Amino acid sequence: KNEVEQSPQNLTAQEGEFITINCSYSVGISALHWLQQHPGGGIVSLFMLSSGKKKHGRLIATINIQEKHSSLHITASHPRDSAVYICAGGSQGNLIFGKGTKLSVKP
Amino acid sequence: NAGVTQTPKFQVLKTGQSMTLQCAQDMNHEYMSWYRQDPGMGLRLIHYSVGAGITDQGEVPNGYNVSRSTTEDFPLRLLSAAPSQTSVYFCASSYGGGPSTDTQYFGPGTRLTVL
Repeated sequence: KNEVEQSPQNLTAQEGEFITINCSYSVGISALHWLQQHPGGGIVSLFMLSSGKKKHGRLIATINIQEKHSSLHITASHPRDSAVYICAGGSQGNLIFGKGTKLSVKP
Repeated sequence: NAGVTQTPKFQVLKTGQSMTLQCAQDMNHEYMSWYRQDPGMGLRLIHYSVGAGITDQGEVPNGYNVSRSTTEDFPLRLLSAAPSQTSVYFCASSYGGGPSTDTQYFGPGTRLTVL
């Protein structure tokens, strides 16, 4: 069993839809990171959170420490949101990554 | 600021050759790390450093060597390349707390093929 698991693995949505990507972890972590990777490779940090909820534009990230679960929400999705979204648990010097969720938003 | 830079962008090696992947950052970050990304495996930590002169192993360190002589640079050395090291390599940096407390900044990646 992977220490950080994401669901779904693949997600196709129509433009404008509300999207949720889930992340569960089985290890002790100090912070949960959400990353975005566009085709062609670059990785960008979207959020780092250790409790509660954070919002940036149309993106919202939440974390429930007791349930070891985090969600990334995208409101009013757009084709430019198409990317791979990766969650990762931060613990001491290490980042433990999920395998990513590939999101495709159709116009 | 240039952020985190990596060179080269692409590299092809023959089995047994050695090479160094370069990583530099201009944000005065204490923490730097190297990851490899393989299809179906996700990203995995190779080595990391919490400051100049200090390095430690990650999940998959075998076949790789690192040193940190300055705050800015964190090169990754492949001592004798093997086909299993074909991968995309990412360098990342952050302030001193590392992934436990700080946002990670990633370089653009190096795509390495070992024949």
